[in-house]
Amino acid sequence: GQQVMQIPQYQHVQEGEDFTTYCNSSTTLSNIQWYKQRPGGHPVFLIQLVKSGEVKKQKRLTFQFGEAKKNSSLHITATQTTDVGTYFCAGYNTDKLIFGTGTRLQVFP
Amino acid sequence: NAGVTQTPKFRVLKTGQSMTLLCAQDMNHEYMYWYRQDPGMGLRLIHYSVGEGTTAKGEVPDGYNVSRLKKQNFLLGLESAAPSQTSVYFCASSLGYGYTFGSGTRLTVV
Repeated sequence: GQQVMQIPQYQHVQEGEDFTTYCNSSTTLSNIQWYKQRPGGHPVFLIQLVKSGEVKKQKRLTFQFGEAKKNSSLHITATQTTDVGTYFCAGYNTDKLIFGTGTRLQVFP
Repeated sequence: NAGVTQTPKFRVLKTGQSMTLLCAQDMNHEYMYWYRQDPGMGLRLIHYSVGEGTTAKGEVPDGYNVSRLKKQNFLLGLESAAPSQTSVYFCASSLGYGYTFGSGTRLTVV
């Protein structure tokens, strides 16, 4: 079946440093979504990417969808303590999302 | 507007007991999903529904059953709980773009 892998599993950064998480799918995706889960909370939808090579920005967050539609990345510029949490990518397969394993981000002040 | 509501929030079961987790959404979403989240495993899809009266198996359906008798409700049942079912269970709903998750049910099976 479809698999979605994310790296790294954990990332610790100093506040102000940049952060990137990478997502790779074993199959071509129709679209990819990104979610953030704060510690003790539930996943919250951030964004959806649909087109090959698409790049979207949300303030300090930049999302990219690969040309082959099998990989994606999330880059955070100048991290803040409010960025702490686990970031999940999720690949859309027909009528359901398959989530990646997530990257846990810790930001030290 | 409550969004997605899950009940209960916490539950402890003994091995072999049964229980039902309730998910209710007030957004008129067609699609509803049950996921379980375990440390280091991400979110794994248990069962899902693309509309009232429909259900389908996800990645890890064994030991669970579901029903979607009303559009706004999606029930997850455990007929005979096992320690391997200790997890955090999340319900989600969608119109096909971006999932809205409930706050989760933390289930411990002893």
